[in-house]
Amino acid sequence: EAGVTQFPSHSVIEKGQTVTLRCDPISGHDNLYWYRRVMGKEIKFLLHFVKESKQDESGMPNNRFLAERTGGTYSTLKVQPAELEDSGVYFCASSQDLNSHEQFFGPGTRLTVL
Amino acid sequence: DQQVKQNSPSLSVQEGRISILNCDYTNSMFDYFLWYKKYPAEGPTFLISISSIKDKNEDGRFTVFLNKSAKHLSLHIVPSQPGDSAVYFCAASSLTGNQFYFGTGTSLTVIP
Repeated sequence: EAGVTQFPSHSVIEKGQTVTLRCDPISGHDNLYWYRRVMGKEIKFLLHFVKESKQDESGMPNNRFLAERTGGTYSTLKVQPAELEDSGVYFCASSQDLNSHEQFFGPGTRLTVL
Repeated sequence: DQQVKQNSPSLSVQEGRISILNCDYTNSMFDYFLWYKKYPAEGPTFLISISSIKDKNEDGRFTVFLNKSAKHLSLHIVPSQPGDSAVYFCAASSLTGNQFYFGTGTSLTVIP
């Protein structure tokens, strides 16, 4: 069974540009999460989808970040316009149901904003 | 404010010896705790978990201990192997929410 996949693995952009990250969860997993790790710091929650609905977006830093999950399958996270402090590794995770405490993580997208 | 803390950024242990990784939390609403292991350029992978109704959970070489009164948990790896070298993240969640709160990670190096 395929795990969580993320694309791209790396992205280097200039301040002010737009970047879109994609996450494909494990097939059949209704729950999808986005996290971010800024260098050397903790992995921080951004938001949680249940199918196509945003269940919790309390971790989104500001309105430059937009997450979508059309059709309840893959998800995208757009940063527009990107700022220097947005650099970090963005992880996506999925889980089968709300009672499952185990989240399966993708390999992450390393975003560098210059 | 960080609710899960791993105060040791790194740890080196000889192969065959015990590795002890520590984690402290501040939120008394947390009732489920997990350890994730992360290799470079990979995502975190689930290692072991414990619910707040227990004080110990064992899985092979890995044991997690929970001290609720001290808001402290630890991961013991016995015996340590070179393949255990990775970054270990402690995470916590509560029944009322599904987000995980992670620590900053501890980089474990097992020396052959």
